[in-house]
Amino acid sequence: NAGVTQTPKFQVLKTGQSMTLQCAQDMNHEYMSWYRQDPGMGLRLIHYSVGAGITDQGEVPNGYNVSRSTTEDFPLRLLSAAPSQTSVYFCASSYGRVDGNTIYFGEGSWLTVV
Amino acid sequence: KNQVEQSPQSLIILEGKNCTLQCNYTVSPFSNLRWYKQDTGRGPVSLTIMTFSENTKSNGRYTATLDADTKQSSLHITASQLSDSASYICVVSAYSGAGSYQLTFGKGTKLSVIP
Repeated sequence: NAGVTQTPKFQVLKTGQSMTLQCAQDMNHEYMSWYRQDPGMGLRLIHYSVGAGITDQGEVPNGYNVSRSTTEDFPLRLLSAAPSQTSVYFCASSYGRVDGNTIYFGEGSWLTVV
Repeated sequence: KNQVEQSPQSLIILEGKNCTLQCNYTVSPFSNLRWYKQDTGRGPVSLTIMTFSENTKSNGRYTATLDADTKQSSLHITASQLSDSASYICVVSAYSGAGSYQLTFGKGTKLSVIP
């Protein structure tokens, strides 16, 4: 059972470049989300999805796009990378909405924008 | 604004010793409180989830307590092992309406267990 799989693990981008962070889960979870983790701060929610075809913004959505065409996949797109987007990104999933359900995190994607 | 404060920021203990990590929160309306363990370079892994009515929950050598009146939680680690070296994150869930819940993450306590 792979759980939540994120790719790539590490990425260096130049300012203005675009890229997609991939996230896939094999637990048939309805709820998926993306967080960023910065030094000295708690994890912050970027975007989330409560099911295929449904996405919504979190606390820090600017500069990021998401889509959810299948239950399994929830990619995060950076359209024009900025140095402020240098961070560690975590994809997460849970069965149903987050309350009371265990949230499973991926191993993280380290992104550096130069 | 919902907030979760963890203390200490970092902690160094000898292998085999016990330790207690603290979490204070100002989250309303409270739904549940979670503790996660995050190894360096890895994603967070769930240790416990506690609802309003639960004041103690254990997971092996990890025991979490919750005092909903004072809005405090603690994570007690017994007979620490080198593998306990990690960041421990307190997360509080609040009901935000329309069947949705908002998670507020603490900054974590970095625990180092030394031989």
